[in-house]
Amino acid sequence: AQRVTQPEKLLSVFKGAPVELKCNYSYSGSPELFWYVQYSRQRLQLLLRHISRESIKGFTADLNKGETSFHLKKPFAQEEDSAMYYCALSGRGGSNYKLTFGKGTLLTVNP
Amino acid sequence: GAGVSQSPSNKVTEKGKDVELRCDPISGHTALYWYRQSLGQGLEFLIYFQGNSAPDKSGLPSDRFSAERTGGSVSTLTIQRTQQEDSAVYLCASTGLAGVTGELFFGEGSRLTVL
Repeated sequence: AQRVTQPEKLLSVFKGAPVELKCNYSYSGSPELFWYVQYSRQRLQLLLRHISRESIKGFTADLNKGETSFHLKKPFAQEEDSAMYYCALSGRGGSNYKLTFGKGTLLTVNP
Repeated sequence: GAGVSQSPSNKVTEKGKDVELRCDPISGHTALYWYRQSLGQGLEFLIYFQGNSAPDKSGLPSDRFSAERTGGSVSTLTIQRTQQEDSAVYLCASTGLAGVTGELFFGEGSRLTVL
């Protein structure tokens, strides 16, 4: 079974402060991990995926297989980062079509 | 079209009525998904289409829910005898790749309110 846990429903930080959105997963094989973001009044969109090892809008996420985590980090938060963030997982092989999402973390960056 | 299109954007209905939600995916995308988004529950997977067939409909919460896809394009999610707990935003997504190592493209959703 695939499971994604985002322990924080709400996270509030001040502009310029570091931010870390936590994500833990459960999957018996080797998963693919993603972060999706939904800004106010916009559609849900992909932010980054672990296989690309990329930094998008200053955000990075490292897959830690030992801790089964994929935390999203940014060293200096900006007000425009305020949004709902979802961590998501897909399997490999025959189950790679299905994206399982966590319940989301609402990030608020205060001025 | 430029993106995934969903209609209606908002639907208010009375308990016990049937509703139909429509999704028009990005042209050429063979894979289509329905998710339900509600406060405190995040995004719940409902059903996955590859072409016109639905190899995974395990997320449909009850037999009141059904979905179909025709012509490898438009999909309709039908909820019969709606209940208040069906109130949520129903999201449709599509991708051109067989697996989600690609990117899912989401519509803006259909907000359903059951009174």
